[in-house]
Amino acid sequence: AQSVTQLGSHVSVSEGALVLLRCNYSSSVPPYLFWYVQYPNQGLQLLLKYTSAATLVKGINGFEAEFKKSETSFHLTKPSAHMSDAAEYFCAVLPNYGGSQGNLIFGKGTKLSVKP
Amino acid sequence: EAGVAQSPRYKIIEKRQSVAFWCNPISGHATLYWYQQILGQGPKLLIQFQNNGVVDDSQLPKDRFSAERLKGVDSTLKIQPAKLEDSAVYLCASSLLGGGNTDTQYFGPGTRLTVL
Repeated sequence: AQSVTQLGSHVSVSEGALVLLRCNYSSSVPPYLFWYVQYPNQGLQLLLKYTSAATLVKGINGFEAEFKKSETSFHLTKPSAHMSDAAEYFCAVLPNYGGSQGNLIFGKGTKLSVKP
Repeated sequence: EAGVAQSPRYKIIEKRQSVAFWCNPISGHATLYWYQQILGQGPKLLIQFQNNGVVDDSQLPKDRFSAERLKGVDSTLKIQPAKLEDSAVYLCASSLLGGGNTDTQYFGPGTRLTVL
């Protein structure tokens, strides 16, 4: 079964520092990959997605992620953290069964804290 | 554009009681999803509707959970009887088409259920 692993349940950075949230997937066929953000007491919001076009994907709020097939990774980055980035971030995979697709499978999430 | 609406936002019940959640998707969205998000985990799909038909309910515990989407618009998710392990946030999402990598899911704020 396909799965996604997020390394680090909690990441803390200083305001202005680089944000790096890690995501690895397990799949023999490159799936479609997503990053969602969840602010407290709110639903999930799509940040960006990889659907086999460009390997470097730019999303909202200055975030980007790079698909690396050799590393089976899709890490999320932002050059300079802002206080408003504090939230929980979920990596998700949409299995690609060669023409048909399954449903979103989410990682356990990484809570990002930003220190002033 | 109005987002996905859910009610109630919070619910506390005793085990063995029943509970129902309501979801109103974004107008015109064909597909509706119910997810269960247990504390410390990512959302897990319970059921997916396209219009008023069930596409995938493979992870729905059918002995106690039921869901319907009458007239292909609003949906209700019911638990009867509830167990302690059902304590979670129940998220509803909708998407314009039938799912897949080009179809973005929009999430509601969720209903937080506590079973005592």
